[in-house]
Amino acid sequence: LAKTTQPISMDSYEGQEVNITCSHNNIATNDYITWYQQFPSQGPRFIIQGYKTKVTNEVASLFIPADRKSSTLSLPRVSLSDTAVYYCLDTGRRALTFGSGTRLQVQP
Amino acid sequence: NAGVTQTPKFQVLKTGQSMTLQCAQDMNHEYMSWYRQDPGMGLRLIHYSVGAGITDQGEVPNGYNVSRSTTEDFPLRLLSAAPSQTSVYFCASKFSRDRPQETQYFGPGTRLLVL
Repeated sequence: LAKTTQPISMDSYEGQEVNITCSHNNIATNDYITWYQQFPSQGPRFIIQGYKTKVTNEVASLFIPADRKSSTLSLPRVSLSDTAVYYCLDTGRRALTFGSGTRLQVQP
Repeated sequence: NAGVTQTPKFQVLKTGQSMTLQCAQDMNHEYMSWYRQDPGMGLRLIHYSVGAGITDQGEVPNGYNVSRSTTEDFPLRLLSAAPSQTSVYFCASKFSRDRPQETQYFGPGTRLLVL
């Protein structure tokens, strides 16, 4: 099963930009790169997805280099409510495989 | 749309008891799946279904059964509960497995404690 690699935890302060990088060493040609967010006691929630280059939505930006072996989730001006676990996944026809995610702690 | 719903929200079982975790979705999704999440860990796939009448095993299927008689419902059965099955269980769905760009939607989870 393909699995991604990302930092276990990150700390930030309110108002800062946070960048979380993920390694996708086993990504397949047809896979997309998808990021999910999970708050305590809740199911994961879709944040953003891309195939290559840059994608931006109202919540975050996603940067994917040409070789697609990595991705960077960028959260602009984080707030306390962004404290959560963030998962990066290769998404294709295979069932989703979750790693341990990155635990982001935002402090005032 | 209610999205993906799960019942119960919390359950306590004794070792050896059986129970069924319910999952339903009202989005006409073909693909449904069950995950378990242990403390501090990512989600692990238990079973999945690509349509009514079709199920398959995931990463950790032992001790669990599933069936898919309708598009909407995908119940997970614990045959004989064990303390190792203490976990939070999430059900998820998406329209089709064949579209990698499709978003997967998760339910709120069922917290299970086996004594």
